[in-house]
Amino acid sequence: VQMTQSPSYLAASPGESVSISCKASKSISNNVAWYQEKPGKANKLLVHSGSTLQSGTPSRFSGSRSGTDFTLTIRSLESEDFAVYYCQQYNEYPLTFGSGTKLEIK
Amino acid sequence: EVQLVESGGGLVQPGRSPKLSCVASGFTFSRSNMHWIRQSPKKGLEWIGVIYYDSGHKFYADSVKGRFTISRDNSKNTLGLEMNSLSSEDTAIYYCAKQGGNYYFDYWGQGVMVTVSS
Repeated sequence: VQMTQSPSYLAASPGESVSISCKASKSISNNVAWYQEKPGKANKLLVHSGSTLQSGTPSRFSGSRSGTDFTLTIRSLESEDFAVYYCQQYNEYPLTFGSGTKLEIK
Repeated sequence: EVQLVESGGGLVQPGRSPKLSCVASGFTFSRSNMHWIRQSPKKGLEWIGVIYYDSGHKFYADSVKGRFTISRDNSKNTLGLEMNSLSSEDTAIYYCAKQGGNYYFDYWGQGVMVTVSS
């Protein structure tokens, strides 16, 4: 399953809202997770099952699904949210990731 | 606190067979499926494979099947990755990860760099 993630780069200001998309090449139910990558830190699971927030994930993060399209939305950006984000499908092997979205401060 | 600490990386000559290790703590390792994932600028994040909690099942990506072997020692809370027939295409940061409730990763290690070069 190919996961086509967009955009690859996003610039926004603190307080703004942004959305990141992943489109699956076939039906994968809601078997999508979202991760945050920051330099020097282990990757962090934010969302699984398409829209379930992992324990500890701030409520300004949300995940949604429409068919094979998956979206991670971050409302009211905070400084700590500027990072790289990845989607991952786990509906079937091989498990596959999107190409990443780098979220930078405008 | 869950911790996953990888080791064994570095500069490796083509054709060599290094072994990576990942020591786990803070959770019941013997009940968790464990994965290896790698990341390179060219290929991005690439899942390598999984070993089930009891070593009863292993699955690999086609790119490493027959060359890489995942193992575990539940008595030592340790995950292993033996890599054979390495080429420059295998240069990457290698991560171990704990599987969550389903086949996503609820904890990752910080990764270890493997550079394949003569």
